[in-house]
Amino acid sequence: DAGVIQSPRHEVTEMGQEVTLRCKPISGHNSLFWYRQTMMRGLELLIYFNNNVPIDDSGMPEDRFSAKMPNASFSTLKIQPSEPRDSAVYFCASSHTQGVFYEQYFGPGTRLTVT
Amino acid sequence: AQKVTQAQTEISVVEKEDVTLDCVYETRDTTYYLFWYKQPPSGELVFLIRRNSFDEQNEISGRYSWNFQKSTSSFNFTITASQVVDSAVYFCALTTQGGSEKLVFGKGTKLTVNP
Repeated sequence: DAGVIQSPRHEVTEMGQEVTLRCKPISGHNSLFWYRQTMMRGLELLIYFNNNVPIDDSGMPEDRFSAKMPNASFSTLKIQPSEPRDSAVYFCASSHTQGVFYEQYFGPGTRLTVT
Repeated sequence: AQKVTQAQTEISVVEKEDVTLDCVYETRDTTYYLFWYKQPPSGELVFLIRRNSFDEQNEISGRYSWNFQKSTSSFNFTITASQVVDSAVYFCALTTQGGSEKLVFGKGTKLTVNP
């Protein structure tokens, strides 16, 4: 299996620009997660989907952040407008859930720098 | 609320030494899952182990072993005969059946194995 695929791997943008991060989960997995990692806050969950439906978005920082999962094989995380404090590594992860919580497999991450 | 504490911020050992990484968790749920992940310098998050709250058996996988003790709410990780390739940040994480699949991560322990 190819694992979780994320693109782009690196993104440098200017404050105020729109940023879109993309994720393809492992085939057959029905849960998808977006995490953000920073030195100050560590790893924190932003949002997660189960069967393409958003279940918990309590970690989304503010209205500038939005996430979609139009089908089982694709998700996007959008930041509009971006700010320097959004600079972080964004990870997508997926897992297979059937009443039992199995391990989450992480993608390689997208390193976002907002100048 | 769930919480994971990794009190050791950084550990430095010499190759072939044994090293134990501590993890203490807090939850009121009776059904929960504990995980360890490894984040090498390349940045990806690699799943190592998952343990559910009803399985207190210790586990050994090669040079890695895990000690789960509900009485002390701990899930410690030992690397025997450490190697330079073990140098990484190790994260302990928790999720509970009563809540969502949200993974709550500890702050991580940075392990450096010197030759």
